[in-house]
This record gives sequence, structure tokens and C-alpha cells, in this order.
Amino acid sequence: NAGVTQTPKFQVLKTGQSMTLQCAQDMNHEYMSWYRQDPGMGLRLIHYSVGAGITDQGEVPNGYNVSRSTTEDFPLRLLSAAPSQTSVYFCASSRRGLVAFFGQGTRLTVV
Amino acid sequence: KNEVEQSPQNLTAQEGEFITINCSYSVGISALHWLQQHPGGGIVSLFMLSSGKKKHGRLIATINIQEKHSSLHITASHPRDSAVYICAVSMGYGQNFVFGPGTRLSVLP
Repeated sequence: NAGVTQTPKFQVLKTGQSMTLQCAQDMNHEYMSWYRQDPGMGLRLIHYSVGAGITDQGEVPNGYNVSRSTTEDFPLRLLSAAPSQTSVYFCASSRRGLVAFFGQGTRLTVV
Repeated sequence: KNEVEQSPQNLTAQEGEFITINCSYSVGISALHWLQQHPGGGIVSLFMLSSGKKKHGRLIATINIQEKHSSLHITASHPRDSAVYICAVSMGYGQNFVFGPGTRLSVLP
């Protein structure tokens, strides 16, 4: 039982490049979400999913895409990286009414 | 949108002290969560509360739904408690969190 696994841990991108942040959980949680953490801003919701095939936007969705083809995986795609997307990204999963589990985070720098 | 505030922003304590971190929110919630983030960045859920009080080891969390306020207490604090403590609220199904800004705690030996 690995919990929530996020990869990569660190990434440097050039402006305009695209990449996918991976998130996988092995707890059969229906709910998964992506957050970004910026200094002085706290964590903010990017996208979330309440089950396979269902996704929705959070507070700061622009520049990001998600899909949920399986219960286990919830990748976050950066379409054309911008310096404003430099941040630490966290994936989380949970069952309704229970505590959330967080991944270890991905520190992304866009230059 | 729910606004979540925490106080204090920063807290330095001596080992053994009793510590209280406060959280207030602006609209009704389905649950309140206390999270711990250590240097190095990982986030761990400490408590999920919808009413009353919960205790785990030296940590106690309380919530007052009418006053929209929660407190996290640490008894007999230890340097390993040094971390950022984050209050988060969820509303309805899906547990979309709204996070507070965090409280940075340093416990000195």
C-alpha cells in the first residue's frame, strides 16, 4: 500500500514546454485533486475529480488539463509552461467523509 | 467562497510548552481538517473534524461549529513538532479544500 505517489519530485522546464505530472493512488479513493502551493498564498485547488471519467475545475485551472481514465491515476498536464506556473504541486486523494492523503509534492521551476 | 484564517502566523516555543493554533472560517462547512507540513514539504493529515473534539497522542483538535472556529493544541511540545500547521475546510461532497495560510511553529530545545 503506497498511498499517493507523485512523480517527478523536481522538474525544470523552459517557457513553452509541456509536461505531465503524474499522480497515482492505490487506496481505491474516488476523490482526487491537484493543488499548487505558492509562498504567501497557501494551497489552491487547480482541478479535481470525483470518480473515473469525471473532472472539474478548481480555483486556478488556467494553463492546466486533467483526465481521469482510471480510479487510480489523475495526471496533471501543463500545456505550455509559463514562469507563473513555477510552484510546488500536490496531489491528494480521499474517500468521502475521511481524511485526505497527499503526495510528496512536485517542485516545478519554469525558466 | 470560504475564507480561512489562522493565528498566529508564526510561533516559537520552548520544549515542553503547551501550544494553541487557531483557525476561523467564514461560511458553513462539512468538515475541518488540520494538516502538518514538515520542512521538505510533505503534507500529512492530522485530524478531520465535523464536531466536538479529537485527540491523538499529544495533539488535540476542537471545533465550535456555531462560532466557526477550531483550535489545535499540542501538549508537551517537542522540537520534532516544528512544522507548518495548516487548517483546511471542505464543503459538500468532493472535499474541495479551502486552505488557511498556515502557522509556522518552531519548538526550541
